[in-house]
Amino acid sequence: DTAVSQTPKYLVTQMGNDKSIKCEQNLGHDTMYWYKQDSKKFLKIMFSYNNKELIINETVPNRFSPKSPDKAHLNLHINSLELGDSAVYFCASSQWTRPYEQYFGPGTRLTVT
Amino acid sequence: DQQVKQNSPSLSVQEGRISILNCDYTNSMFDYFLWYKKYPAEGPTFLISISSIKDKNEDGRFTVFLNKSAKHLSLHIVPSQPGDSAVYFCAASAEKETSGSRLTFGEGTQLTVNP
Repeated sequence: DTAVSQTPKYLVTQMGNDKSIKCEQNLGHDTMYWYKQDSKKFLKIMFSYNNKELIINETVPNRFSPKSPDKAHLNLHINSLELGDSAVYFCASSQWTRPYEQYFGPGTRLTVT
Repeated sequence: DQQVKQNSPSLSVQEGRISILNCDYTNSMFDYFLWYKKYPAEGPTFLISISSIKDKNEDGRFTVFLNKSAKHLSLHIVPSQPGDSAVYFCAASAEKETSGSRLTFGEGTQLTVNP
C-alpha cells in the first residue's frame, strides 16, 4: 500500500538514449511534482501538475517532458540523455489546499554513462 | 543563487540531548517554512512547518523557531533519539507564487544521534 511509488528504482543507460520514469500515487491527491536531486544534494523542483494541468515548469531542458494521464500518475520522459542528467529524481504529491505537505516517492537513481 | 541555505552539512549529538538544526534564507517573499526528514534510499517526509505570521510551532519533540528579521529558522529536537538520525532538509515557499506549491530546499544537514 505504498503511497507514492516510482519505477524503476535504478536506471543505468547510455548517452543519447530516451528513457521514462513512472510515478503513481494512491493518496487521492490532485497535485504532483517532479524534483531532481543533483550531486550536491540540492532538491530542485522541475515540474508540477494540478489536475493534469501543468502549473510549474522550471528552467528545464525541453528534452524533459512530463505527462500526466490522470490525477494519480505523472510520468517523466527524457530524450537524448546526457551525462549531466545523472541524478536522483523524486516524484511527490500533495493536496492543492495543502501544498506544503508533499509526499515523496523513494526516488529513481538515473546514471547516464 | 541558493535562496535557502543550511550551512552545517552534519551534526552529531548524544541521545537524550537537544539537536538544533539551522537554516537561513534570502528571499523576503518566502512566507511558509518547512522541515523534511530523509532516510537513506527513501524520499523526504514532511516533519513540521511554520507560517511567517508565527515565530514558533511545536509538535511533540519537534519545535521550529522562525526569526523573520534575521531570515533564520531552526529546528529543535528534544530529546534526540537514535531513530532521528537522518538528513534534515529546510524548505521555503512563497504562497502568492503558485499557491505555495513551489518549495525551495536547502542542501540538507545529516543528523547523527549517538546512543
